[in-house]
Amino acid sequence: DIQLTQSPSFLSASVGDRVTITCRASQGISSHLAWYQQKPGKAPKLLIYAASTLQSGVPSRFSGSGSGTEFTLTISSLQPEDFATYYCQQLNSYPQTFGQGTKVEIK
Amino acid sequence: DVQLVESGGGLVQSGGSLRLSCAASGFTFKSYWMTWVRQAPGKGLEWVANIKEDGSEKYYVDSVKGRFTISRDNAKNSLYLQMNSLRAEDTAVYYCARDRYYKPDYWGQGTLVTVSS
Repeated sequence: DIQLTQSPSFLSASVGDRVTITCRASQGISSHLAWYQQKPGKAPKLLIYAASTLQSGVPSRFSGSGSGTEFTLTISSLQPEDFATYYCQQLNSYPQTFGQGTKVEIK
Repeated sequence: DVQLVESGGGLVQSGGSLRLSCAASGFTFKSYWMTWVRQAPGKGLEWVANIKEDGSEKYYVDSVKGRFTISRDNAKNSLYLQMNSLRAEDTAVYYCARDRYYKPDYWGQGTLVTVSS
């Protein structure tokens, strides 16, 4: 199975900060990676697919990059509504897998 | 509007069975792969299974193989997950999601399954 390791697992940041989350795959997954935002008690929300394509309706402060084994999600200027947990998911091979999550909290 | 509504969750004893349903509306159901993802209380997301548009291909995570069966009825715009031999570690919120071209873009609100030991 392909393991996805997110770093950091937790980060504390302020409104307006630039935030970067990394997702490393244990083997190459091409660009078959998605990023999600999840708030407590809610379903995950797709932010980025195909590693770098912004999902319709998602603010442009979110961006994704990478291919192969290393990927990043960047929030260019953190907003109050962005405090949540973020997950990456590989869709390249079965079983599909998720990273362990990165919780973004208010500093 | 696209809608996915899960149902069928509840409390069941260890070793028991449950059948989850996901009712789809607002899109051409038969044109999408469909997926089940679960989340244990306070834990991360775990992909469980998915099924091809016509039901001809199905994939499972190892921990549910032989116990869970994913199926769909395109005439009823519905996705199912038959869960047998349930264990305490299957306790989770179960989400259904649609997927096309590596893009799981809509998810349901989830249904809670609690397995008591």
